[in-house]
Amino acid sequence: AQSVTQLDSQVPVFEEAPVELRCNYSSSVSVYLFWYVQYPNQGLQLLLKYLSGSTLVESINGFEAEFNKSQTSFHLRKPSVHISDTAEYFCAVSEALGNQGGKLIFGQGTELSVKP
Amino acid sequence: DTAVSQTPKYLVTQMGNDKSIKCEQNLGHDTMYWYKQDSKKFLKIMFSYNNKELIINETVPNRFSPKSPDKAHLNLHINSLELGDSAVYFCASSPRVGSEAFFGQGTRLTVV
Repeated sequence: AQSVTQLDSQVPVFEEAPVELRCNYSSSVSVYLFWYVQYPNQGLQLLLKYLSGSTLVESINGFEAEFNKSQTSFHLRKPSVHISDTAEYFCAVSEALGNQGGKLIFGQGTELSVKP
Repeated sequence: DTAVSQTPKYLVTQMGNDKSIKCEQNLGHDTMYWYKQDSKKFLKIMFSYNNKELIINETVPNRFSPKSPDKAHLNLHINSLELGDSAVYFCASSPRVGSEAFFGQGTRLTVV
C-alpha cells in the first residue's frame, strides 16, 4: 500500500521569497505523483503531475517538482511566490498500473501562507 | 463549461435524514470517484467507478450508496445521516484508472 507524508503542515513565507513544500511517499510498486492546490472553499486543482519521462515537471504558474526515486520524494518548489499562491497544497500518489482502482492517496496537506 | 459539477454546494440537514449529492462530468472520462475531506482537510477515497462499475469501496458504511446511471454521472446517496458525516464531499473523474483526477467544487455537508 502507498502512503504520502507532507513534512510541513504550515509554511509561512514572504512575498517574492522562494519556497519548497516537501513530500515523501512510500510504495512497493511504480507510482504516479501529483500536486494539487486548494484555494479556500474551492475544489482541488491539479498543479502538476509526474507519470513518466523527465523527473522535473513544471506548471504554468512557475511551480516545479522533481521526482527523486532514490529518496522517494516529490518536493514542490517556486523561486518567487506571490500573495495569490496562498492556499493549501496536497501531494498525492497513485499506483501506476492502476491495480488499486486508480485511487489517489493524499498527504495531509501543507498550508502555504504568503505575507506581504 | 464546468468539467466536473456537483450539486448542491451546501447541504444542511438533521440527523437521521436521507440525502443525495449529484455529480456530472463532461470530460468523457470513464473513471469517477467520491472523496471525503474531513475538518482537518484530510482527503480520503470513498468509491471508485470505472465504466459504471464499482471498483473501489473503501470500507465506507453501507449507509453510503453510490449510483452510476451512466459514465458521466456518479451520485451519492446517504441514509440515516449522522453527525460524523459532516464533511466536504468531492466528486472527481479521470481519463483512465490511476491517472490525474479532476475534481468538482465540493459539497459541504453539515449534519445538525
